[in-house]
Amino acid sequence: TQLLEQSPQFLSIQEGENLTVYCNSSSVFSSLQWYRQEPGEGPVLLVTVVTGGEVKKLKRLTFQFGDARKDSSLHITAAQPGDTGLYLCAGVGRGGGFKTIFGAGTRLFVKA
Amino acid sequence: ETGVTQTPRHLVMGMTNKKSLKCEQHLGHNAMYWYKQSAKKPLELMFVYSLEERVENNSVPSRFSPECPNSSHLFLHLHTLQPEDSALYLCASSQESVNTGELFFGEGSRLTVL
Repeated sequence: TQLLEQSPQFLSIQEGENLTVYCNSSSVFSSLQWYRQEPGEGPVLLVTVVTGGEVKKLKRLTFQFGDARKDSSLHITAAQPGDTGLYLCAGVGRGGGFKTIFGAGTRLFVKA
Repeated sequence: ETGVTQTPRHLVMGMTNKKSLKCEQHLGHNAMYWYKQSAKKPLELMFVYSLEERVENNSVPSRFSPECPNSSHLFLHLHTLQPEDSALYLCASSQESVNTGELFFGEGSRLTVL
Protein backbone atom coordinates (compact mmCIF):
# COMPACT_ATOMS: atom_id res chain seq x y z
CA THR A 1 0.00 0.00 0.00
CA GLN A 2 1.37 3.39 -0.98
CA LEU A 3 1.71 5.91 1.83
CA LEU A 4 2.52 9.58 1.80
CA GLU A 5 3.82 10.90 5.11
CA GLN A 6 3.49 14.59 5.81
CA SER A 7 5.25 16.46 8.57
CA PRO A 8 4.67 18.30 10.73
CA GLN A 9 0.98 17.61 11.28
CA PHE A 10 0.44 20.99 12.91
CA LEU A 11 2.41 24.22 12.88
CA SER A 12 1.66 27.48 14.68
CA ILE A 13 4.02 30.35 13.93
CA GLN A 14 4.25 34.13 14.11
CA GLU A 15 3.78 36.32 11.07
CA GLY A 16 7.11 36.84 9.30
CA GLU A 17 8.62 33.47 10.19
CA ASN A 18 9.76 30.91 7.64
CA LEU A 19 8.62 27.29 7.59
CA THR A 20 9.04 24.07 5.67
CA VAL A 21 6.57 21.23 5.25
CA TYR A 22 7.74 17.80 4.14
CA CYS A 23 6.09 15.04 2.18
CA ASN A 24 7.80 11.64 2.00
CA SER A 25 7.09 8.26 0.48
CA SER A 26 8.86 5.05 -0.44
CA SER A 27 7.01 5.10 -3.76
CA VAL A 28 7.98 6.86 -6.97
CA PHE A 29 5.40 9.23 -8.42
CA SER A 30 4.81 10.50 -11.93
CA SER A 31 4.10 13.90 -10.44
CA LEU A 32 3.33 15.48 -7.09
CA GLN A 33 0.87 18.18 -6.20
CA TRP A 34 0.37 20.57 -3.33
CA TYR A 35 -3.09 21.77 -2.39
CA ARG A 36 -4.27 24.28 0.20
CA GLN A 37 -7.62 23.91 1.92
CA GLU A 38 -9.24 26.66 3.96
CA PRO A 39 -11.97 25.99 6.54
CA GLY A 40 -15.31 25.22 4.92
CA GLU A 41 -13.77 24.93 1.46
CA GLY A 42 -12.42 22.21 -0.78
CA PRO A 43 -8.69 21.82 -1.55
CA VAL A 44 -7.31 24.18 -4.18
CA LEU A 45 -4.34 23.18 -6.32
CA LEU A 46 -1.23 25.28 -5.72
CA VAL A 47 1.34 23.56 -7.91
CA THR A 48 2.26 20.38 -9.76
CA VAL A 49 5.87 19.22 -9.97
CA VAL A 50 6.79 16.62 -12.54
CA THR A 51 10.55 16.35 -12.98
CA GLY A 52 12.91 15.00 -10.31
CA GLY A 53 14.78 17.90 -8.70
CA GLU A 54 12.31 20.45 -10.03
CA VAL A 55 11.84 23.67 -8.08
CA LYS A 56 8.82 25.90 -8.55
CA LYS A 57 8.12 29.24 -6.92
CA LEU A 58 4.73 30.81 -6.31
CA LYS A 59 5.34 34.23 -4.70
CA ARG A 60 6.61 33.38 -1.18
CA LEU A 61 6.07 29.63 -1.62
CA THR A 62 8.85 27.38 -2.95
CA PHE A 63 8.11 23.79 -3.93
CA GLN A 64 10.73 21.14 -4.57
CA PHE A 65 10.40 17.63 -5.96
CA GLY A 66 13.03 15.16 -4.81
CA ASP A 67 15.54 13.85 -7.33
CA ALA A 68 14.07 10.33 -7.05
CA ARG A 69 10.48 11.65 -7.29
CA LYS A 70 9.61 10.12 -3.89
CA ASP A 71 9.46 13.23 -1.75
CA SER A 72 8.72 16.92 -1.82
CA SER A 73 8.94 20.02 0.32
CA LEU A 74 7.04 23.26 0.59
CA HIS A 75 8.89 26.26 1.98
CA ILE A 76 7.08 29.46 2.92
CA THR A 77 9.10 32.63 3.41
CA ALA A 78 7.84 35.37 5.71
CA ALA A 79 4.52 33.68 6.44
CA GLN A 80 1.39 35.82 6.51
CA PRO A 81 -1.94 35.21 8.31
CA GLY A 82 -3.44 34.61 4.88
CA ASP A 83 -1.25 31.52 4.55
CA THR A 84 -3.26 29.84 7.33
CA GLY A 85 -4.85 26.62 6.16
CA LEU A 86 -4.44 22.89 5.62
CA TYR A 87 -1.66 22.00 3.18
CA LEU A 88 -2.02 18.67 1.41
CA CYS A 89 0.52 16.89 -0.73
CA ALA A 90 -0.69 14.38 -3.30
CA GLY A 91 1.38 11.85 -5.19
CA VAL A 92 0.18 10.90 -8.65
CA GLY A 93 0.97 7.42 -9.93
CA ARG A 94 0.66 6.12 -13.45
CA GLY A 95 -2.96 6.55 -14.43
CA GLY A 96 -3.24 10.20 -13.53
CA GLY A 97 -5.94 11.31 -11.12
CA PHE A 98 -7.17 7.75 -10.70
CA LYS A 99 -3.96 6.90 -8.89
CA THR A 100 -3.54 9.92 -6.65
CA ILE A 101 -2.82 9.38 -2.98
CA PHE A 102 -2.93 12.13 -0.39
CA GLY A 103 -0.98 12.87 2.74
CA ALA A 104 -2.89 13.56 5.96
CA GLY A 105 -2.03 17.25 5.71
CA THR A 106 -0.20 19.94 7.64
CA ARG A 107 -2.39 22.42 9.45
CA LEU A 108 -0.68 25.81 9.48
CA PHE A 109 -1.74 28.70 11.68
CA VAL A 110 0.03 32.02 11.23
CA LYS A 111 -0.53 34.50 14.04
CA ALA A 112 -0.53 38.23 13.35
CA GLU B 1 -20.37 29.72 -12.03
CA THR B 2 -17.68 28.07 -9.96
CA GLY B 3 -15.84 25.09 -11.46
CA VAL B 4 -17.24 22.33 -9.25
CA THR B 5 -20.43 22.87 -7.27
CA GLN B 6 -21.66 20.62 -4.48
CA THR B 7 -25.06 20.61 -2.77
CA PRO B 8 -26.06 20.56 -0.03
CA ARG B 9 -23.15 22.15 1.84
CA HIS B 10 -24.40 20.73 5.14
CA LEU B 11 -26.55 17.69 5.81
CA VAL B 12 -27.73 16.15 9.07
CA MET B 13 -29.46 12.80 8.82
CA GLY B 14 -30.59 9.96 10.99
CA MET B 15 -29.35 6.44 10.53
CA THR B 16 -32.55 5.38 8.77
CA ASN B 17 -32.81 8.31 6.36
CA LYS B 18 -32.13 8.30 2.65
CA LYS B 19 -30.47 11.35 1.17
CA SER B 20 -28.32 12.28 -1.81
CA LEU B 21 -25.33 14.51 -2.39
CA LYS B 22 -25.05 16.26 -5.73
CA CYS B 23 -22.02 17.47 -7.66
CA GLU B 24 -21.87 19.42 -10.90
CA GLN B 25 -18.74 20.41 -12.81
CA HIS B 26 -18.58 23.22 -15.39
CA LEU B 27 -15.00 22.56 -16.53
CA GLY B 28 -15.63 20.16 -19.38
CA HIS B 29 -13.68 17.42 -17.60
CA ASN B 30 -14.16 13.74 -18.36
CA ALA B 31 -13.57 12.22 -14.92
CA MET B 32 -15.32 12.77 -11.58
CA TYR B 33 -14.53 11.55 -8.10
CA TRP B 34 -15.97 11.22 -4.62
CA TYR B 35 -13.56 11.56 -1.70
CA LYS B 36 -14.20 11.26 2.03
CA GLN B 37 -12.28 13.60 4.34
CA SER B 38 -12.13 12.79 8.06
CA ALA B 39 -10.14 14.70 10.66
CA LYS B 40 -6.41 13.95 10.68
CA LYS B 41 -6.72 11.27 7.99
CA PRO B 42 -5.71 11.39 4.33
CA LEU B 43 -8.42 11.95 1.78
CA GLU B 44 -9.97 8.59 0.99
CA LEU B 45 -10.93 7.95 -2.61
CA MET B 46 -14.39 6.37 -2.74
CA PHE B 47 -15.43 6.28 -6.39
CA VAL B 48 -14.08 7.35 -9.75
CA TYR B 49 -16.05 7.78 -12.95
CA SER B 50 -14.45 8.26 -16.32
CA LEU B 51 -16.69 9.06 -19.27
CA GLU B 52 -19.64 8.19 -17.04
CA GLU B 53 -18.41 4.66 -16.33
CA ARG B 54 -17.24 3.67 -12.90
CA VAL B 55 -13.57 2.77 -13.09
CA GLU B 56 -12.70 2.46 -9.43
CA ASN B 57 -14.51 1.59 -6.24
CA ASN B 58 -12.27 1.40 -3.21
CA SER B 59 -14.25 -1.17 -1.23
CA VAL B 60 -16.83 1.33 -0.10
CA PRO B 61 -19.80 -0.02 1.93
CA SER B 62 -22.97 -0.54 -0.09
CA ARG B 63 -24.79 2.07 1.98
CA PHE B 64 -23.02 4.54 -0.34
CA SER B 65 -24.27 4.34 -3.93
CA PRO B 66 -22.85 6.57 -6.67
CA GLU B 67 -24.57 7.64 -9.86
CA CYS B 68 -23.08 9.45 -12.84
CA PRO B 69 -25.81 10.25 -15.39
CA ASN B 70 -23.49 12.34 -17.60
CA SER B 71 -20.00 13.77 -17.59
CA SER B 72 -21.07 16.90 -15.72
CA HIS B 73 -23.08 15.42 -12.88
CA LEU B 74 -22.29 13.04 -10.06
CA PHE B 75 -24.47 11.89 -7.18
CA LEU B 76 -23.80 10.02 -3.98
CA HIS B 77 -26.89 8.30 -2.63
CA LEU B 78 -26.85 7.63 1.10
CA HIS B 79 -28.95 5.22 3.13
CA THR B 80 -28.74 3.48 6.47
CA LEU B 81 -25.58 5.35 7.36
CA GLN B 82 -23.60 4.97 10.57
CA PRO B 83 -22.30 7.75 12.86
CA GLU B 84 -18.74 6.97 11.72
CA ASP B 85 -19.78 8.05 8.21
CA SER B 86 -19.92 11.63 9.46
CA ALA B 87 -17.28 13.50 7.44
CA LEU B 88 -16.71 16.04 4.70
CA TYR B 89 -17.52 14.52 1.31
CA LEU B 90 -15.63 16.11 -1.53
CA CYS B 91 -16.38 15.88 -5.21
CA ALA B 92 -13.59 16.48 -7.72
CA SER B 93 -13.11 16.44 -11.46
CA SER B 94 -10.12 16.11 -13.76
CA GLN B 95 -9.26 15.93 -17.42
CA GLU B 96 -7.73 12.53 -17.92
CA SER B 97 -6.02 13.40 -21.18
CA VAL B 98 -3.60 15.36 -18.99
CA ASN B 99 -1.58 12.76 -17.12
CA THR B 100 -0.61 15.00 -14.21
CA GLY B 101 -3.96 14.12 -12.62
CA GLU B 102 -4.74 17.61 -11.36
CA LEU B 103 -7.94 17.55 -9.37
CA PHE B 104 -10.45 20.36 -9.09
CA PHE B 105 -12.51 20.08 -5.93
CA GLY B 106 -15.89 21.35 -4.90
CA GLU B 107 -16.42 23.00 -1.53
CA GLY B 108 -17.63 19.77 0.03
CA SER B 109 -20.77 18.52 1.74
CA ARG B 110 -20.44 18.28 5.52
CA LEU B 111 -22.42 15.21 6.60
CA THR B 112 -23.44 14.49 10.18
CA VAL B 113 -25.11 11.17 10.97
CA LEU B 114 -26.99 11.07 14.25
